[in-house]
Amino acid sequence: SQTIHQWPATLVQPVGSPLSLECTVEGTSNPNLYWYRQAAGRGLQLLFYSVGIGQISSEVPQNLSASRPQDRQFILSSKKLLLSDSGFYLCAWTNFQGKNGEQFFGPGTRLTVL
Amino acid sequence: AQSVAQPEDQVNVAEGNPLTVKCTYSVSGNPYLFWYVQYPNRGLQFLLKYITGDNLVKGSYGFEAEFNKSQTSFHLKKPSALVSDSALYFCAVRVNNAGNNRKLIWGLGTSLAVNP
Repeated sequence: SQTIHQWPATLVQPVGSPLSLECTVEGTSNPNLYWYRQAAGRGLQLLFYSVGIGQISSEVPQNLSASRPQDRQFILSSKKLLLSDSGFYLCAWTNFQGKNGEQFFGPGTRLTVL
Repeated sequence: AQSVAQPEDQVNVAEGNPLTVKCTYSVSGNPYLFWYVQYPNRGLQFLLKYITGDNLVKGSYGFEAEFNKSQTSFHLKKPSALVSDSALYFCAVRVNNAGNNRKLIWGLGTSLAVNP
C-alpha cells in the first residue's frame, strides 16, 4: 500500500530564516506530487505541482520554491520566510495507476513564522 | 471557468439526524468529483468519488453522495450523523484539460458540527 510522509510535523521559525519541508511517498512510482497551503483552517491553495523528476510548476508567485530531486521526494523551500508564510502545508500525490485524479494527502506541517 | 462552490460555511445537525453538505460545480466535459474530510491538524482523507455510472456513490464511514447532472451538484449525505463526523469537508472536481497534471479545483470547505 502507498504511504506519504511529511516532516517536520510542526515548525516555528523567525522571519527571514530559511525553510525546508520534505515529503516522500512510498509504494508507488512516478506519482504526480503537489504542495498545498491551508491558512486559518479553511481553503486549500495549490502552490506547486510536479509530474516528474526536476519538473516543477508554480501556481502562485511568492518567495517559496519547490524541487523534486528523486521520483518520490518533493521539497518545499524558502530562502527568507515572511510572516504571511505561516500556515498548514500539505503534500499530496496521485498517479495514473487505477486512479481517476483523486489525491492522497500527507499529515501536514504546521509552520508558524514569528 | 471551472469552479466548485460549497455554499455553506457551517452546517449544524443533531446526532442521529441525517446530514447533507452541499456542493455545486462548473466544469467542461464530464466531471470527476470528489469528497474529502479533514479533522483538526490532520491531512485530508479521501471519502468518495464520482466518475461515471450510478448517480449515488457510497464511500467511507457511511457517507454517500448524489451526483445530479441537471443541477450540477454533488451533495454529501449520511443517514444518521455521529458526533465523530464533526470535521471540515471539502468538495473537489478534477480539471479537464489535455496533459497529465491532474489538478483538482477545491471548494472552500464546510465545517460540520454534530451536536450530541
